[in-house]
Amino acid sequence: NAGVTQTPKFQVLKTGQSMTLQCAQDMNHEYMSWYRQDPGMGLRLIHYSVGAGITDQGEVPNGYNVSRSTTEDFPLRLLSAAPSQTSVYFCASSRSYNTDTQYFGPGTRLTVL
Amino acid sequence: SQQGEEDPQALSIQEGENATMNCSYKTSINNLQWYRQNSGRGLVHLILIRSNEREKHSGRLRVTLDTSKKSSSLLITASRAADTASYFCATDDGSGSRLTFGEGTQLTVNP
Repeated sequence: NAGVTQTPKFQVLKTGQSMTLQCAQDMNHEYMSWYRQDPGMGLRLIHYSVGAGITDQGEVPNGYNVSRSTTEDFPLRLLSAAPSQTSVYFCASSRSYNTDTQYFGPGTRLTVL
Repeated sequence: SQQGEEDPQALSIQEGENATMNCSYKTSINNLQWYRQNSGRGLVHLILIRSNEREKHSGRLRVTLDTSKKSSSLLITASRAADTASYFCATDDGSGSRLTFGEGTQLTVNP
């Protein structure tokens, strides 16, 4: 199993541009989530999903959209990038709907100029 | 706001010594988890302790949970240079659907 994969690994955007960060898992996990990590800080939850077709907001959802059309994929869309969204983004999944052991992807490092 | 807060922020020890990190949280939880992050990498799950458990072991790791004090500790025994990493505690919000991470403890193990 590949586990949780994220693409791209690095991305540079200009202010106002939009893009989608991809996340996929091959473990048939129901729960998936997106976090951002800023320098010297812990992770903050952006959005999460407890199953296909179900998404909800986390702590810092503004400026981001998600959808969950399949169990495997959970893309994160930046609608109009801002410098404040410069961060490292991590996708994670877990087997059950609750916050059980999380399996993390390798992260996407995003810079917004 | 952060649910979990780790202490200390940074810890530097010699190989072979034990390392203890603490985590405090604010609200009722279902479980508390500890994760490790090597520089530039994703987080790796270390151990999960449920609210009805007081202590848990996994290899060189020992985790305790005191729900009355809303605190947990992670002990790494006989540390190795490879244990150098950031360690984060994470708590759920009681609903089971949201996980909140602390700011982490940066552990450096000197050879």
